[in-house]
Amino acid sequence: DQQVKQNSPSLSVQEGRISILNCDYTNSMFDYFLWYKKYPAEGPTFLISISSIKDKNEDGRFTVFLNKSAKHLSLHIVPSQPGDSAVYFCAASEENFGNEKLTFGTGTRLTIIP
Amino acid sequence: DTGVSQDPRHKITKRGQNVTFRCDPISEHNRLYWYRQTLGQGPEFLTYFQNEAQLEKSRLLSDRFSAERPKGSFSTLEIQRTEQGDSAMYLCASIPSGGANEQFFGPGTRLTVL
Repeated sequence: DQQVKQNSPSLSVQEGRISILNCDYTNSMFDYFLWYKKYPAEGPTFLISISSIKDKNEDGRFTVFLNKSAKHLSLHIVPSQPGDSAVYFCAASEENFGNEKLTFGTGTRLTIIP
Repeated sequence: DTGVSQDPRHKITKRGQNVTFRCDPISEHNRLYWYRQTLGQGPEFLTYFQNEAQLEKSRLLSDRFSAERPKGSFSTLEIQRTEQGDSAMYLCASIPSGGANEQFFGPGTRLTVL
C-alpha cells in the first residue's frame, strides 16, 4: 500500500520556467512533509519541508504548498535552472515518540531543458 | 566534511555470502535510521536507533538482517546468506534529538548480489 504517491515519473521543463512537482498521500496521521532531491550515486539531500499546521513554506526559489483536505502537496521551483535536474522525492512522517521515520514516494525525475 | 558517511560505497557479493555495511552519522546526532532503496522506488524504512537502542524494525527486515549501534555512534547493518532480492541501495540517515524531521542522508552503499 503506497501511502505517499508521486504519479508523474518524469517531468521536463524549460530553463527559466516554473517546475511543479506533485505528491499525494493517504495516511491522515502524517503531520510533516519533506522534499528531497537526489542525484545519481548520491544520497537524498533535504530541500524543503512543511508542517501540517501550515499551508505554504518558501525558501528562495522553492515553495511547498500543502492542501490537507485534499491530502496533496506540491513543490514549485521558479525559475528552474539546469542544476535542478535530479530525482525529487516527496516524504512524510508522523509524530511517533521521537521516531519520525520517513515514508517516501517513488520519485519524479525532473529534467530542465536549457 | 562532517556529513553522514557510509562504507563501502559499493559491494558485489555472491548469493549466500554475508555482508556488513557501516554508517557514521553526523557527530552528536543521536537518532540513526537505515533505509533501503530499490530501482524505481523511494527509500523504504528498515530500522531506527536512538543512541544505542534499536527502537523499531520494519517487517522488511527479515531475520537475515541485523543492525547494531553499540556505542551510540556508528552503526552496522549485516545481511546474512544474501539473496539476489537483497540487491539495493542501503541508505543511512541521522538526526539530532529534539531536532526537526529533516534527516541527513549518507551517500549509500550499493549492494549487488550475483
